[in-house]
Amino acid sequence: AQTVTQSQPEMSVQEAETVTLSCTYDTSESDYYLFWYKQPPSRQMILVIRQEAYKQQNATENRFSVNFQKAAKSFSLKISDSQLGDAAMYFCAYRSEETSGSRLTFGEGTQLTVNP
Amino acid sequence: EPEVTQTPSHQVTQMGQEVILRCVPISNHLYFYWYRQILGQKVEFLVSFYNNEISEKSEIFDDQFSVERPDGSNFTLKIRSTKLEDSAMYFCATLGPRDRGLIEQYFGPGTRLTVT
Repeated sequence: AQTVTQSQPEMSVQEAETVTLSCTYDTSESDYYLFWYKQPPSRQMILVIRQEAYKQQNATENRFSVNFQKAAKSFSLKISDSQLGDAAMYFCAYRSEETSGSRLTFGEGTQLTVNP
Repeated sequence: EPEVTQTPSHQVTQMGQEVILRCVPISNHLYFYWYRQILGQKVEFLVSFYNNEISEKSEIFDDQFSVERPDGSNFTLKIRSTKLEDSAMYFCATLGPRDRGLIEQYFGPGTRLTVT
C-alpha cells in the first residue's frame, strides 16, 4: 500500500518570502500522480498543483512550484512571494495511474502560517 | 466552471440515527468518491463508485455505510446507525471526463457531520 508522509506539522513564513513544504511517499509503482491540496479554514479542498510521475520537468503554477525527485520519492512544494491568503493547511496526495479511477492517499498535512 | 455540490453543509444527529449525505457530481464525470476528515486529522478515503457499483472501499467503509446513485444525478452516502466517532467532515469528489485524462479529482465543499 502507498503511504504519504509530511514531516512538518507546522511551518511559518514572512509575507513576500519563500517557503518549502516537504512530502515523501512510498510506492512500488512507476506510474502515478502527485498533488498538493490547500485547505483554508473553510475546509474546502483546493487543488494547488499536480505532477505526473512520467514527466521529468517539475510542475509550476504561478507562485507555486514543486521539486519532484522520483528516485528519492520526494515531492516538495515551494511557495514564492508568500501572501496572507496562502495561510492554510496543505496536504500532499498520491494517486496511482496503474488502476483507473483509484483513490487519493493523503499525508497528515502541514499548517502554514504567513506572518505580515 | 462546473463544480461538485453537497448538501447539507452541516448535519447534527443523535447517536444511533441514520443520516444521508448528498452530492451532485459534475455531469460528465465518471468516478465518484467519498472521503472523510476527522477534525485535525488527514483526509481518508472511504469508497469509490463507478458504473453504478462500488469499485473500491477502505477498511473504514463497513456495513454501517452504503452508497448509491438513485436517480442518475445525486450520489449519496448513508450511515445507518451513527456513532460518536462518525463526527467528521465528509467530502464528495468526482473524476473525469475521460478526454481530460482522468487525472484530477474535484472536491465538493463538504458536509460537516456532528453526532451527539
